Amino acid sequence: KAGVTQTPRYLIKTRGQQVTLSCSPISGHRSVSWYQQTPGQGLQFLFEYFSETQRNKGNFPGRFSGRQFSNSRSEMNVSTLELGDSALYLCASSSGGVSEQFFGPGTRLTVL
Amino acid sequence: AQSVTQLGSHVSVSEGALVLLRCNYSSSVPPYLFWYVQYPNQGLQLLLKYTSAATLVKGINGFEAEFKKSETSFHLTKPSAHMSDAAEYFCAVSDSDSGYALNFGKGTSLLVTP
Repeated sequence: KAGVTQTPRYLIKTRGQQVTLSCSPISGHRSVSWYQQTPGQGLQFLFEYFSETQRNKGNFPGRFSGRQFSNSRSEMNVSTLELGDSALYLCASSSGGVSEQFFGPGTRLTVL
Repeated sequence: AQSVTQLGSHVSVSEGALVLLRCNYSSSVPPYLFWYVQYPNQGLQLLLKYTSAATLVKGINGFEAEFKKSETSFHLTKPSAHMSDAAEYFCAVSDSDSGYALNFGKGTSLLVTP
C-alpha cells in the first residue's frame, strides 16, 4: 500500500502571499488531519477532514483553511503569509476516530 | 483539556544501554496514548499506542511503554539502545473530548553514543 504523500516537499514564499499544500491519504482512509511543526511551538493540530467535512479544528487563525475532495485528497491553504508561518506541515491519514494516524513526510514552508 | 509533558528535551545514552524517555499526561476522560518517532527530514512513525487494553504495550523496534494511571505516566523504554535509535521522540495523547486529535509533547531528542 502506498503511504501518505505530500506535495510539494519544499516551498519558499514571501510575506503576504498565499500557499496551497496538498495531501494524498492512504487508499481507503477517509480522515485527513493537518499538523504544524515549528521549533518553538512543537507539533500543533490544525484541522481534520472526514468525508469532505471539517470535523475538528485546532486553535489557528482563519488564514488557515482546508478542504477535502471526494477521493479523500486534502488541501490546506494559508493566506496572507507571515514569517511565523514558516514550519513543517504534516498531513496524517486514518480510518477515523482513535485508529492509527499515518503521517506523510511533510511540506517545509519557508516564508521570507 | 488534555496535555502531555515530556521530561528532558535531550537524552544521551551509550549504545547497548537502557533507553528511558519520560511522558506524563493529563486528561479529564480516558486517554489514548501514543509514542511517535521522527527521523531527520521525515514524517512521524508510530512506535506504539495505548488504547485501554493491556497496560504494558509493546511496539516496533524493541520499544515498549507502560500505562500507569496512578502516576499519569506513559514512559517509553528499550532495553538496549542501537545507534539507529537516534531520533526525535514524541509522546501524544488524544481523547473523545478533543475529537481524537493528537496533542503532542515537545519531544525528546535521543542521542546514542558508541
